[in-house]
Amino acid sequence: EPEVTQTPSHQVTQMGQEVILRCVPISNHLYFYWYRQILGQKVEFLVSFYNNEISEKSEIFDDQFSVERPDGSNFTLKIRSTKLEDSAMYFCASSVTTGVTGELFFGEGSRLTVL
Amino acid sequence: GENVEQHPSTLSVQEGDSAVIKCTYSDSASNYFPWYKQELGKRPQLIIDIRSNVGEKKDQRIAVTLNKTAKHFSLHITETQPEDSAVYFCAASRYGKLTFGQGTILTVHP
Repeated sequence: EPEVTQTPSHQVTQMGQEVILRCVPISNHLYFYWYRQILGQKVEFLVSFYNNEISEKSEIFDDQFSVERPDGSNFTLKIRSTKLEDSAMYFCASSVTTGVTGELFFGEGSRLTVL
Repeated sequence: GENVEQHPSTLSVQEGDSAVIKCTYSDSASNYFPWYKQELGKRPQLIIDIRSNVGEKKDQRIAVTLNKTAKHFSLHITETQPEDSAVYFCAASRYGKLTFGQGTILTVHP
């Protein structure tokens, strides 16, 4: 069964450093998402991406965050200058469509620890 | 934007009992309502979902009901087993963006 894959599974970084989290969505999917989950809390929407541009973003997704689809398979989340509060599990997700048929498939997550 | 409230935050049941988790949502345009099960350190796994044109859906021991007028939906698990122990999240969606509830920690005691 096709899966969304994410790398790295865990990254430890110093405050102020840049991190890039990578995702390979399911190959025929067209809609891509990043969510985050701070330990013990709910999953929060960060950004959605379609047709090579951001379609929606949350207030969490400020100027320190960016997304890119550099080639036909990867979808990346970049945090320019990490803060302690960026420590969380980041989930990539993809779907074939949106709306009533748009089941999201989640990756296993990338745990980011900012020291 | 959409706001999803989920109750209870923790739920403890004996094996074989039923468990019910309830969610309310605020955006009447939301049209897709999935439920996810999340085990510690793992990704959310879809267990059942319901579209806005359906009032109830069942899959073996799991069922979901939706009341669009009242803007609430519920997850029902019957004949609970210890392996059902996990965090359960409801979510509401319009055009793909999911808004999650706060989660319910379900513990099933053998």
